[in-house]
Amino acid sequence: DAGITQSPRYKITETGRQVTLMCHQTWSHSYMFWYRQDLGHGLRLIYYSAAADITDKGEVPDGYVVSRSKTENFPLTLESATRSQTSVYFCASSEWGQPQHFGDGTRLSIL
Amino acid sequence: SQKIEQNSEALNIQEGKTATLTCNYTNYSPAYLQWYRQDPGRGPVFLLLIRENEKEKRKERLKVTFDTTLKQSLFHITASQPADSATYLCALARYSGGGADGLTFGKGTHLIIQP
Repeated sequence: DAGITQSPRYKITETGRQVTLMCHQTWSHSYMFWYRQDLGHGLRLIYYSAAADITDKGEVPDGYVVSRSKTENFPLTLESATRSQTSVYFCASSEWGQPQHFGDGTRLSIL
Repeated sequence: SQKIEQNSEALNIQEGKTATLTCNYTNYSPAYLQWYRQDPGRGPVFLLLIRENEKEKRKERLKVTFDTTLKQSLFHITASQPADSATYLCALARYSGGGADGLTFGKGTHLIIQP
């Protein structure tokens, strides 16, 4: 089925560890996005990508790294996880000027 | 920077009535505004998009208005049903790029439709 898939759905890790969240979309959308959602803040943009090999920072990029070697994949890496990065992470995709399609999120806990 | 405000407290509505949600924004003149629905444990789902030159848009029981002078959008659900209970998010493009560089979201309004 066409759609956007995030993995894992749940992840528990420890401070200082590296963790990668995966995002895969089957629509061949040009644009992909990573957001985090926290109580009291709503959804905040971490990074986005306009095409393969083109990425740019969003509102809260510190501590995160992204890559986009293929149009359909947009992994998000926490290089050295901190407790403040405990959150729910959502990936989304779209075409220019069109609504975004979201995955069901990864719930990440950092102990 | 742009700021979006939604009435963040839960909004309780009797089944069959019209629910009206408010989205106010500052420091920006968006080309369009979007509304999303989010259920617990799920990602946001797109509902409606309204452009700056549109005053009103409808989709089935949903209606959105957009007042660029007041910097406000109203989201209406008519003949509300318990299945409409969810959190509703208002979103604007961060810049003028049509949302291609990401969206800024409000914190959402938790709507509860009581039978």
